[in-house]
Amino acid sequence: GENVEQHPSTLSVQEGDSAVIKCTYSDSASNYFPWYKQELGKRPQLIIDIRSNVGEKKDQRIAVTLNKTAKHFSLHITETQPEDSAVYFCAADERSGGSYIPTFGRGTSLIVHP
Amino acid sequence: GAVVSQHPSWVICKSGTSVKIECRSLDFQATTMFWYRQFPKQSLMLMATSNEGSKATYEQGVEKDKFLINHASLTLSTLTVTSAHPEDSSFYICSARDLQREVYTYNEQFFGPGTRLTVL
Repeated sequence: GENVEQHPSTLSVQEGDSAVIKCTYSDSASNYFPWYKQELGKRPQLIIDIRSNVGEKKDQRIAVTLNKTAKHFSLHITETQPEDSAVYFCAADERSGGSYIPTFGRGTSLIVHP
Repeated sequence: GAVVSQHPSWVICKSGTSVKIECRSLDFQATTMFWYRQFPKQSLMLMATSNEGSKATYEQGVEKDKFLINHASLTLSTLTVTSAHPEDSSFYICSARDLQREVYTYNEQFFGPGTRLTVL
């Protein structure tokens, strides 16, 4: 099965700085890599995703890069704001039978100091 | 669109009782729903994949007789925690995938708001 490693577990930055969170995966057949933001006590919210046929995707201050050869993908947040503070999870979907089964990383607690 | 609800949002029960949690896709049909368990400050742990009209697929280490899953329709899946014990206290979250999007291999999951279970 898939194994997803996520680093760092905690990331503290000053407002306006950039933040980078990295994930690696083990199953080369995985083809979908979403990133979720979860605020305390709330549901995870998809913030950006990338498929295996694309190397980079950007949405305003958020970008994701994927290196299929190395089996790693990263989340980049520029011009961080205090409201970006949350726990971020990466995930990888592997094909299993007729469905796609997600495996989540352990999460990164991002703290943006005003 | 793509809203998933969960009921109840929180529940407190006595040890030994059973608790049922409902997960509904409100404005789309979902052939697949996932059930997760999340401990404080930890990641989402996939418990089982719930498929409409068939038996759920449980992850390794998850007791199928303890966590009963029923996916009776394209909009409803239920998780029943049987004979609950304090160690079952956790945050349970479901997610669903849109049937229409699945056709185009669109993998996005839509999460419910979660259910906080406390077993005394």
